[in-house]
Amino acid sequence: EADIYQTPRYLVIGTGKKITLECSQTMGHDKMYWYQQDPGMELHLIHYSYGVNSTEKGDLSSESTVSRIRTEHFPLTLESARPSHTSQYLCASSDYKNTEAFFGQGTRLTVV
Amino acid sequence: GEDVEQSLFLSVREGDSSVINCTYTDSSSTYLYWYKQEPGAGLQLLTYIFSNMDMKQDQRLTVLLNKKDKHLSLRIADTQTGDSAIYFCAENPNTGNQFYFGTGTSLTVIP
Repeated sequence: EADIYQTPRYLVIGTGKKITLECSQTMGHDKMYWYQQDPGMELHLIHYSYGVNSTEKGDLSSESTVSRIRTEHFPLTLESARPSHTSQYLCASSDYKNTEAFFGQGTRLTVV
Repeated sequence: GEDVEQSLFLSVREGDSSVINCTYTDSSSTYLYWYKQEPGAGLQLLTYIFSNMDMKQDQRLTVLLNKKDKHLSLRIADTQTGDSAIYFCAENPNTGNQFYFGTGTSLTVIP
């Protein structure tokens, strides 16, 4: 059973607000990822991390930022939300061998 | 990035077999995966195959890998209405930085 949690599950906020999407895993995985999933289903990697104090941008340009101060925690922050940020955000983690990626339940963000 | 391609939609009748296909580009991939996503949920790993294998069977699921053609398929035997979901193929190249996902195939099972 995967132990990776995302909060909130659903969020509706106004334009210009600052928000942080939380992601935590209890498996001790070094690698963590944030994917953005558009309505057409495709997943796009926006950020990843190899471990504490490591963060990298993914293939899809994003106005969000991430931090990795603790192994188990990989929050994603939007400083000023816009309607174009409306999407589902999926967090995942994997061990150093990349045998598989475990996913959280996702956060569905709507910016109005 | 890598290209992982899937057809977008598949409809089958309950009890029939479903076959979902995927093509990928990186021949160095160590693992290839099938994930299932139900509405409003995250992705759940169904099965994966190591690149030196041709076939893997797990109950109703059969994965076939053709490394020469870089083609991966997932066969679901005796498809049930509960199998209706989006299925993602994914690869993990030996560079190991990330997982590359296909576009997803939406499977609809007709009762």
